[in-house]
Amino acid sequence: DTGVSQDPRHKITKRGQNVTFRCDPISEHNRLYWYRQTLGQGPEFLTYFQNEAQLEKSRLLSDRFSAERPKGSFSTLEIQRTEQGDSAMYLCASSLATSGSADTQYFGPGTRLTVL
Amino acid sequence: AQKITQTQPGMFVQEKEAVTLDCTYDTSDQSYGLFWYKQPSSGEMIFLIYQGSYDEQNATEGRYSLNFQKARKSANLVISASQLGDSAMYFCAMIMDSSYKLIFGSGTRLLVRP
Repeated sequence: DTGVSQDPRHKITKRGQNVTFRCDPISEHNRLYWYRQTLGQGPEFLTYFQNEAQLEKSRLLSDRFSAERPKGSFSTLEIQRTEQGDSAMYLCASSLATSGSADTQYFGPGTRLTVL
Repeated sequence: AQKITQTQPGMFVQEKEAVTLDCTYDTSDQSYGLFWYKQPSSGEMIFLIYQGSYDEQNATEGRYSLNFQKARKSANLVISASQLGDSAMYFCAMIMDSSYKLIFGSGTRLLVRP
């Protein structure tokens, strides 16, 4: 059973460039989440997919951010016109919908973005 | 508004001893879940333990147990017999049954001394 994988693990880019990150969830998981974590803080929720439908988006997700999960499997997170404030760890998580209790979200290793 | 508070930025513990990491939460919802995650320096968030708000028994997973005190709105993590590999950041998180997003605290850095 492979875990959640993310690619790339590290990305350095110049301000104003576009970047795209990929997340492959655990294979049978139908829910997928993106979080952002800045230094010294806990992760903050960005967005959530159930299968291919994006059901919830945080106000943190400005119009420069877009996320997709086209076939209900892997997901991409794109940041356009990056700013230095976008520098953070971007974490992806997945879960299997269960009834009667909260899903346990399993996280990937993250993509660390540095915007110069 | 829902909030998680972890008041211990850093903790030390001697190898083989037990340690308690504090977590308090704030919500007006009656149905919610509480999680603890471990984040080593590599960055991956590792799920440790879960407690549902209606669970009467405290959750246990191996060396981890969750001391759930609903009236006090606290969900402390107890690690027994600490090991050097337990050195990491520990995050308490909450999820409402009406939502899908985890709300995290600011974390506690645990250092296990040999």
